[in-house]
Amino acid sequence: DVKVTQSSRYLVKRTGEKVFLECVQDMDHENMFWYRQDPGLGLRLIYFSYDVKMKEKGDIPEGYSVSREKKERFSLILESASTNQTSMYLCASSFLLNPGVGLRHREFFGPGTRLTVL
Amino acid sequence: AQTVTQSQPEMSVQEAETVTLSCTYDTSESDYYLFWYKQPPSRQMILVIRQEAYKQQNATENRFSVNFQKAAKSFSLKISDSQLGDAAMYFCAYLSGTYKYIFGTGTRLKVLA
Repeated sequence: DVKVTQSSRYLVKRTGEKVFLECVQDMDHENMFWYRQDPGLGLRLIYFSYDVKMKEKGDIPEGYSVSREKKERFSLILESASTNQTSMYLCASSFLLNPGVGLRHREFFGPGTRLTVL
Repeated sequence: AQTVTQSQPEMSVQEAETVTLSCTYDTSESDYYLFWYKQPPSRQMILVIRQEAYKQQNATENRFSVNFQKAAKSFSLKISDSQLGDAAMYFCAYLSGTYKYIFGTGTRLKVLA
């Protein structure tokens, strides 16, 4: 089974701290994603990466940065945490099914990190 | 821009009964994919069912089936013989031509014993 793991299930940080959220997948997937999940807003894409060292902004990148130095690892960085970044953060990875035969994605999610910024 | 709407924030169903969760979407694309994801209280999101827009036949996975109405841009999920383990947050999602999924806001399903 594909496994996507996240470094912490729960995290509490103070305003202004630098925060690192780590995500690792074990199936050699090309694509990795960071979402935040808030009640009533669903999942919103922060950043995604389609290859090592490649990244693209999602819908809400402000206040976040990412790093992908190795294919299996995708890190989300909060340079200076703020209270409005208190949220659930979900990492996901995906690959193309039958490349060349249309776009056939399968996305796998990590268990999530509940981040509280005080 | 594409959007996905889930108008039911919360639904309840009696054990062994059938429930339908609604999802509508807006797109100008002709080729796309639609998904239902389930997020149980333990929080790991898992794929429930997937529908390719070019397929007219509705997807089915055991007790889960969809009613895909392409012209109406509607993609509802039907859960038959509901079980306690079906209690979760359900997200409808859309994917077309890029890596970016667009998710709805979710429907929390409660299953009553």
